[in-house]
Amino acid sequence: GDSVTQTEGQVALSEEDFLTIHCNYSASGYPALFWYVQYPGEGPQFLFRASRDKEKGSSRGFEATYDKGTTSFHLRKASVQESDSAVYYCALGPPTSSGQKLVFGQGTILKVYL
Amino acid sequence: DPKIIQKPKYLVAVTGSEKILICEQYLGHNAMYWYRQSAKKPLEFMFSYSYQKLMDNQTASSRFQPQSSKKNHLDLQITALKPDDSATYFCASSQDGGAREQYFGPGTRLTVL
Repeated sequence: GDSVTQTEGQVALSEEDFLTIHCNYSASGYPALFWYVQYPGEGPQFLFRASRDKEKGSSRGFEATYDKGTTSFHLRKASVQESDSAVYYCALGPPTSSGQKLVFGQGTILKVYL
Repeated sequence: DPKIIQKPKYLVAVTGSEKILICEQYLGHNAMYWYRQSAKKPLEFMFSYSYQKLMDNQTASSRFQPQSSKKNHLDLQITALKPDDSATYFCASSQDGGAREQYFGPGTRLTVL
C-alpha cells in the first residue's frame, strides 16, 4: 500500500537556523503531497500541497518541491523561529478523488531554541 | 469562531461501555473523515464520507460506526470499548472534488479504563 517515510523523528535547532525535514513516499501514479503542522493540544493544520512533478508548495516561509524522480517532498525553511516548534507531518492522498484517505508519515518533532 | 467542532474534548470511559464522539463542520464541505492518533500509530485514517455516503473504511472492527445525520455532521459511535481504543480522535473535512486538503478539528481525547 501507499506509505510515507519521514527520516527525522526529532530535530533541534537554534533560531535562524536552516530547516530540512526529509519526506519520501511510495505510491503509484501521481499522488497529491501535503505538509501539515500540529501544535500541542490541537488538530493538524494544513500548510500546503503540491500535485505534480516539480511543483513547489509554500506557506509561512516553509516550502517543498514535488520530486517524482526521487519520490520526495522535503520540507525546508531558511530561518526558523521559536514559534515554529511543533510536529510536522508529510502526507499523501489520491490525485483526483475526494472523500479518500490521507496517509501520514510518522511525524517530525521540531524544537527551536532561542 | 471554530469551523470544526468536536465534543467532548476529553472523555473517560470504562471497558465494555459505549460512547459517541460528536463532529460538526461549518466550512460548507461535502466530505468528512475520522482519524485516530495514538502513541502507537500516529494519525491513522479510519473512515471517509462524501455527501453522507461512506467512501472508505479502514477500520477492521465493526465496533466503530460512523453516523451522518446531516451533511455537516459525522459522529463516531464506539461500542464495547477496550483500553486499546484510548487515543485522540480527529474529525476532518474537505471540499469535494480533486486532491483537496483536509481541515482537522481539535480532537476528542478518549481514555478507556
